[in-house]
Amino acid sequence: EAGVAQSPRYKIIEKRQSVAFWCNPISGHATLYWYQQILGQGPKLLIQFQNNGVVDDSQLPKDRFSAERLKGVDSTLKIQPAKLEDSAVYLCASSSGTSSFPGAQYFGPGTRLTVL
Amino acid sequence: GQQLNQSPQSMFIQEGEDVSMNCTSSSIFNTWLWYKQDPGEGPVLLIALYKAGELTSNGRLTAQFGITRKDSFLNISASIPSDVGIYFCAGLKTNFGNEKLTFGTGTRLTIIP
Repeated sequence: EAGVAQSPRYKIIEKRQSVAFWCNPISGHATLYWYQQILGQGPKLLIQFQNNGVVDDSQLPKDRFSAERLKGVDSTLKIQPAKLEDSAVYLCASSSGTSSFPGAQYFGPGTRLTVL
Repeated sequence: GQQLNQSPQSMFIQEGEDVSMNCTSSSIFNTWLWYKQDPGEGPVLLIALYKAGELTSNGRLTAQFGITRKDSFLNISASIPSDVGIYFCAGLKTNFGNEKLTFGTGTRLTIIP
Protein backbone atom coordinates (compact mmCIF):
# COMPACT_ATOMS: atom_id res chain seq x y z
CA GLU A 1 0.00 0.00 0.00
CA ALA A 2 1.46 3.36 -1.04
CA GLY A 3 1.98 5.90 1.71
CA VAL A 4 1.10 9.59 1.85
CA ALA A 5 2.76 11.46 -1.00
CA GLN A 6 3.84 15.10 -0.80
CA SER A 7 5.50 17.49 -3.18
CA PRO A 8 7.70 19.36 -3.45
CA ARG A 9 10.09 18.03 -0.80
CA TYR A 10 11.91 21.36 -0.50
CA LYS A 11 11.03 24.93 -1.37
CA ILE A 12 12.93 28.16 -0.89
CA ILE A 13 11.13 31.46 -1.45
CA GLU A 14 11.49 35.08 -0.49
CA LYS A 15 9.13 36.73 1.96
CA ARG A 16 5.92 38.04 0.45
CA GLN A 17 6.02 35.40 -2.28
CA SER A 18 3.38 32.68 -2.62
CA VAL A 19 3.87 28.94 -2.34
CA ALA A 20 1.70 25.85 -2.66
CA PHE A 21 2.13 22.32 -1.37
CA TRP A 22 0.42 19.18 -2.63
CA CYS A 23 -0.61 16.03 -0.79
CA ASN A 24 -2.08 12.72 -1.91
CA PRO A 25 -3.27 10.63 1.05
CA ILE A 26 -3.30 6.87 1.43
CA SER A 27 -5.93 5.42 -0.88
CA GLY A 28 -9.31 5.19 0.82
CA HIS A 29 -8.43 7.45 3.75
CA ALA A 30 -11.28 9.89 4.21
CA THR A 31 -9.56 12.20 6.68
CA LEU A 32 -6.65 14.42 5.68
CA TYR A 33 -4.60 16.72 7.89
CA TRP A 34 -2.06 19.46 7.33
CA TYR A 35 0.48 20.12 10.09
CA GLN A 36 3.19 22.71 10.56
CA GLN A 37 6.37 21.54 12.28
CA ILE A 38 8.78 24.25 13.34
CA LEU A 39 12.35 23.12 13.99
CA GLY A 40 12.68 21.54 17.43
CA GLN A 41 8.94 21.19 18.00
CA GLY A 42 6.23 18.62 17.48
CA PRO A 43 3.76 18.94 14.61
CA LYS A 44 0.89 21.40 15.09
CA LEU A 45 -2.42 20.93 13.31
CA LEU A 46 -3.34 23.56 10.74
CA ILE A 47 -6.44 22.06 9.14
CA GLN A 48 -8.40 18.81 9.04
CA PHE A 49 -10.62 17.60 6.19
CA GLN A 50 -13.22 14.85 6.26
CA ASN A 51 -13.68 13.92 2.59
CA ASN A 52 -13.88 17.36 0.93
CA GLY A 53 -15.26 19.24 3.94
CA VAL A 54 -13.31 21.17 6.57
CA VAL A 55 -13.67 19.71 10.07
CA ASP A 56 -11.24 21.93 11.97
CA ASP A 57 -9.34 24.98 10.74
CA SER A 58 -9.20 26.81 14.05
CA GLN A 59 -5.38 26.96 14.01
CA LEU A 60 -5.03 28.01 10.37
CA PRO A 61 -3.86 31.65 9.91
CA LYS A 62 -6.58 32.40 7.43
CA ASP A 63 -5.24 35.79 6.45
CA ARG A 64 -2.42 34.08 4.58
CA PHE A 65 -3.02 30.32 4.57
CA SER A 66 -5.63 28.46 2.57
CA ALA A 67 -6.27 24.81 1.84
CA GLU A 68 -8.64 22.82 -0.29
CA ARG A 69 -9.54 19.22 -0.99
CA LEU A 70 -11.96 19.63 -3.86
CA LYS A 71 -12.59 16.01 -4.84
CA GLY A 72 -12.07 14.48 -1.42
CA VAL A 73 -8.76 12.91 -2.39
CA ASP A 74 -5.66 15.06 -2.83
CA SER A 75 -5.21 18.44 -1.22
CA THR A 76 -3.26 21.65 -1.62
CA LEU A 77 -2.07 24.07 1.04
CA LYS A 78 -1.18 27.60 0.00
CA ILE A 79 0.61 30.45 1.73
CA GLN A 80 0.17 33.93 0.30
CA PRO A 81 2.11 36.04 1.15
CA ALA A 82 4.79 34.13 3.04
CA LYS A 83 6.50 35.50 6.15
CA LEU A 84 9.85 34.60 7.64
CA GLU A 85 8.14 32.77 10.52
CA ASP A 86 6.45 30.39 8.04
CA SER A 87 9.78 28.58 7.62
CA ALA A 88 8.95 25.06 8.76
CA VAL A 89 8.21 21.56 7.58
CA TYR A 90 4.64 21.14 6.34
CA LEU A 91 3.40 17.61 6.95
CA CYS A 92 0.36 15.97 5.46
CA ALA A 93 -1.26 13.02 7.20
CA SER A 94 -4.28 10.82 6.58
CA SER A 95 -6.37 8.45 8.62
CA SER A 96 -9.13 5.91 8.16
CA GLY A 97 -11.93 4.82 10.44
CA THR A 98 -11.23 1.23 9.44
CA SER A 99 -7.53 1.28 10.28
CA SER A 100 -5.92 -1.50 12.31
CA PHE A 101 -5.03 1.27 14.76
CA PRO A 102 -8.08 3.48 15.26
CA GLY A 103 -7.21 7.16 15.49
CA ALA A 104 -3.71 6.69 14.14
CA GLN A 105 -2.57 9.16 11.51
CA TYR A 106 -0.07 8.28 8.80
CA PHE A 107 2.33 10.97 7.68
CA GLY A 108 3.98 11.92 4.42
CA PRO A 109 7.67 12.92 4.21
CA GLY A 110 6.84 16.63 4.46
CA THR A 111 7.81 19.74 2.53
CA ARG A 112 10.59 21.80 4.03
CA LEU A 113 9.88 25.49 3.40
CA THR A 114 12.55 28.15 3.84
CA VAL A 115 11.45 31.78 3.63
CA LEU A 116 14.30 34.25 3.09
CA GLY B 1 -2.00 25.39 20.84
CA GLN B 2 -1.22 22.86 23.55
CA GLN B 3 1.79 20.59 23.33
CA LEU B 4 2.38 17.70 25.65
CA ASN B 5 5.49 17.71 27.86
CA GLN B 6 8.03 15.03 27.06
CA SER B 7 11.10 14.19 29.09
CA PRO B 8 13.93 14.02 28.72
CA GLN B 9 14.36 16.47 25.84
CA SER B 10 17.42 14.58 24.66
CA MET B 11 19.29 11.41 25.55
CA PHE B 12 22.83 10.31 24.80
CA ILE B 13 23.31 6.59 25.31
CA GLN B 14 25.57 3.76 24.25
CA GLU B 15 24.45 0.99 21.96
CA GLY B 16 22.85 -1.82 23.93
CA GLU B 17 21.51 0.38 26.71
CA ASP B 18 17.83 0.56 27.60
CA VAL B 19 15.95 3.83 27.13
CA SER B 20 12.97 5.26 28.94
CA MET B 21 11.02 8.42 28.10
CA ASN B 22 7.69 9.80 29.20
CA CYS B 23 4.96 12.18 28.25
CA THR B 24 2.61 14.13 30.52
CA SER B 25 -0.45 16.25 29.95
CA SER B 26 -2.74 18.46 31.99
CA SER B 27 -5.76 16.95 30.23
CA ILE B 28 -7.13 13.47 29.62
CA PHE B 29 -6.75 11.61 26.33
CA ASN B 30 -8.68 8.64 24.92
CA THR B 31 -5.72 7.26 23.01
CA TRP B 32 -1.95 7.60 23.22
CA LEU B 33 0.28 7.14 20.20
CA TRP B 34 4.06 7.04 19.93
CA TYR B 35 5.83 8.12 16.73
CA LYS B 36 9.47 8.19 15.61
CA GLN B 37 10.77 10.79 13.18
CA ASP B 38 14.00 10.43 11.24
CA PRO B 39 15.72 13.49 9.72
CA GLY B 40 13.96 14.67 6.59
CA GLU B 41 11.03 12.30 7.05
CA GLY B 42 7.56 12.40 8.53
CA PRO B 43 6.68 10.74 11.86
CA VAL B 44 6.17 6.98 11.70
CA LEU B 45 3.73 5.24 14.03
CA LEU B 46 5.37 2.89 16.55
CA ILE B 47 2.72 1.97 19.11
CA ALA B 48 -0.94 2.78 19.83
CA LEU B 49 -2.56 2.54 23.28
CA TYR B 50 -6.31 2.59 23.82
CA LYS B 51 -7.05 1.77 27.45
CA ALA B 52 -5.88 3.26 30.75
CA GLY B 53 -3.24 0.98 32.27
CA GLU B 54 -2.65 -0.82 28.96
CA LEU B 55 0.89 -2.10 28.37
CA THR B 56 1.74 -2.81 24.72
CA SER B 57 4.91 -4.10 23.08
CA ASN B 58 6.23 -3.86 19.54
CA GLY B 59 9.51 -5.74 19.32
CA ARG B 60 12.01 -4.01 21.61
CA LEU B 61 9.56 -1.19 22.30
CA THR B 62 7.12 -1.20 25.21
CA ALA B 63 4.66 1.57 25.99
CA GLN B 64 2.09 2.12 28.70
CA PHE B 65 -1.08 4.21 28.91
CA GLY B 66 -1.10 5.87 32.33
CA ILE B 67 -3.88 5.07 34.78
CA THR B 68 -4.84 8.75 35.06
CA ARG B 69 -5.05 8.95 31.23
CA LYS B 70 -2.80 12.01 31.44
CA ASP B 71 0.51 10.31 30.79
CA SER B 72 2.33 7.60 28.88
CA PHE B 73 5.82 6.19 28.75
CA LEU B 74 7.93 4.44 26.14
CA ASN B 75 10.80 2.04 26.80
CA ILE B 76 13.31 0.81 24.26
CA SER B 77 15.38 -2.19 25.25
CA ALA B 78 18.87 -3.01 23.97
CA SER B 79 19.16 0.07 21.76
CA ILE B 80 20.68 -0.24 18.29
CA PRO B 81 21.96 2.46 15.89
CA SER B 82 18.71 2.63 13.91
CA ASP B 83 16.88 3.73 17.07
CA VAL B 84 18.46 7.17 16.65
CA GLY B 85 15.85 9.83 15.94
CA ILE B 86 13.19 11.96 17.61
CA TYR B 87 10.39 10.24 19.48
CA PHE B 88 7.03 12.00 19.81
CA CYS B 89 4.10 11.08 21.97
CA ALA B 90 0.66 12.15 20.80
CA GLY B 91 -2.64 12.22 22.63
CA LEU B 92 -5.92 11.75 20.81
CA LYS B 93 -9.26 13.27 21.79
CA THR B 94 -12.55 12.62 20.07
CA ASN B 95 -15.21 15.33 20.11
CA PHE B 96 -18.45 14.72 18.24
CA GLY B 97 -16.68 12.32 15.89
CA ASN B 98 -13.81 14.73 15.24
CA GLU B 99 -10.47 13.20 16.18
CA LYS B 100 -7.72 15.64 17.17
CA LEU B 101 -4.10 14.67 17.81
CA THR B 102 -1.87 16.75 20.10
CA PHE B 103 1.86 16.11 19.91
CA GLY B 104 4.54 16.23 22.56
CA THR B 105 7.69 18.29 22.39
CA GLY B 106 9.82 15.31 21.41
CA THR B 107 12.75 13.33 22.84
CA ARG B 108 15.89 13.24 20.71
CA LEU B 109 17.81 9.97 21.03
CA THR B 110 21.49 9.87 20.13
CA ILE B 111 23.69 6.78 20.35
CA ILE B 112 27.30 7.42 21.26
CA PRO B 113 29.72 5.13 19.41
